[in-house]
Amino acid sequence: DGGITQSPKYLFRKEGQNVTLSCEQNLNHDAMYWYRQDPGQGLRLIYYSQIVNDFQKGDIAEGYSVSREKKESFPLTVTSAQKNPTAFYLCASSIRSKDTVFGANVLTFGAGSRLTVL
Amino acid sequence: DAKTTQPPSMDCAEGRAANLPCNHSTISGNEYVYWYRQIHSQGPQYIIHGLKNNETNEMASLIITEDRKSSTLILPHATLRDTAVYYCIVRPYSGYALNFGKGTSLLVTP
Repeated sequence: DGGITQSPKYLFRKEGQNVTLSCEQNLNHDAMYWYRQDPGQGLRLIYYSQIVNDFQKGDIAEGYSVSREKKESFPLTVTSAQKNPTAFYLCASSIRSKDTVFGANVLTFGAGSRLTVL
Repeated sequence: DAKTTQPPSMDCAEGRAANLPCNHSTISGNEYVYWYRQIHSQGPQYIIHGLKNNETNEMASLIITEDRKSSTLILPHATLRDTAVYYCIVRPYSGYALNFGKGTSLLVTP
């Protein structure tokens, strides 16, 4: 079945350590996104990528980095510069914004990765 | 993007229709209304979207007022599995990433 796989589901990190969250999709989507969700809050956009080898900062990119070397993969690194990294991280994908068949705003989400900094 | 306003929480009895309102009084002509829902500790799930006509699919119906300043998502026969946070989002059809607010927390009770 087509979908998005995020790993790990749960991750614990010590302060000062970088950690990379994996996101893989087999939907043949060009666009991919990373969101962060804190308890009781909505989703906030970290980074997004419309095409391979290109990505843009979202609303809260500081302390995070991404790469998009393959269409299927969009890993997120939470660096030690992120002041409060404990959160639920969600990856999503969609067709590109210029595609008009269904619209780029229909996102498919992964199951999420919950990061806790000890 | 147009701002949306949703009630923070609602209750609905199982088997009854759940009507979730959304106010988007500053919506512009090229902006669509999208609805997503998020079951606890899962990723959000797309439900439905529309521009100005009412829309229906296997999950829900979307009613948009004639002036497009508000809309209602209708779950015709709510089940316990419909308990979730429902997000109303307004965005141009070919815009970039969606902005999710706090949504409405719907509790379906037996």
